[in-house]
Amino acid sequence: DAKTTQPPSMDCAEGRAANLPCNHSTISGNEYVYWYRQIHSQGPQYIIHGLKNNETNEMASLIITEDRKSSTLILPHATLRDTAVYYCTRNNAGNMLTFGGGTRLMVKP
Amino acid sequence: KAGVTQTPRYLIKTRGQQVTLSCSPISGHRSVSWYQQTPGQGLQFLFEYFSETQRNKGNFPGRFSGRQFSNSRSEMNVSTLELGDSALYLCASSFDLGGGPDTQYFGPGTRLTVL
Repeated sequence: DAKTTQPPSMDCAEGRAANLPCNHSTISGNEYVYWYRQIHSQGPQYIIHGLKNNETNEMASLIITEDRKSSTLILPHATLRDTAVYYCTRNNAGNMLTFGGGTRLMVKP
Repeated sequence: KAGVTQTPRYLIKTRGQQVTLSCSPISGHRSVSWYQQTPGQGLQFLFEYFSETQRNKGNFPGRFSGRQFSNSRSEMNVSTLELGDSALYLCASSFDLGGGPDTQYFGPGTRLTVL
């Protein structure tokens, strides 16, 4: 199964770090892990991606385990505007994103 | 730089009709992919076009088709609409530099309602 597995929902206090886990135990060696988020049924917004090394950009950090079977997206200081559905996906060279159910993150004041 | 644009944003059709949705990728992007999002099935890959050729196809019936023009703009068509085709249809584009996956950027989607 090429899908990813994520908890259906999580809560986070405003200003705290949000850590969103993802399981992709069947990922192949050339597949990248991509994270997107979707707010109010708008188009998914790209956040970050990685292959085997940890990555950081202005939005988030991505931690990938050494065996690449799981990863964690970290939003260092969550705000109310980070409330969204977060998708962990896999992307092979064919540009076919495989989405799981996503995690609905609720940031609370 | 302008993002991915999709037209129309909302559409209402009746069963049996056909529909054409349009997508304009980010300038310079050569790959266009289409996805269907429904509450029951989530986000599912439909197909991908590159250089006016369909390069990949998801598990959808032949009623779903698409094409890409020389300027990379893409259209998708759904014929003989069914109630279950009601969904948010998303288009995503990427540079496709070759040699591996490239980041896809999504448009706002077209909300199709079939009555």
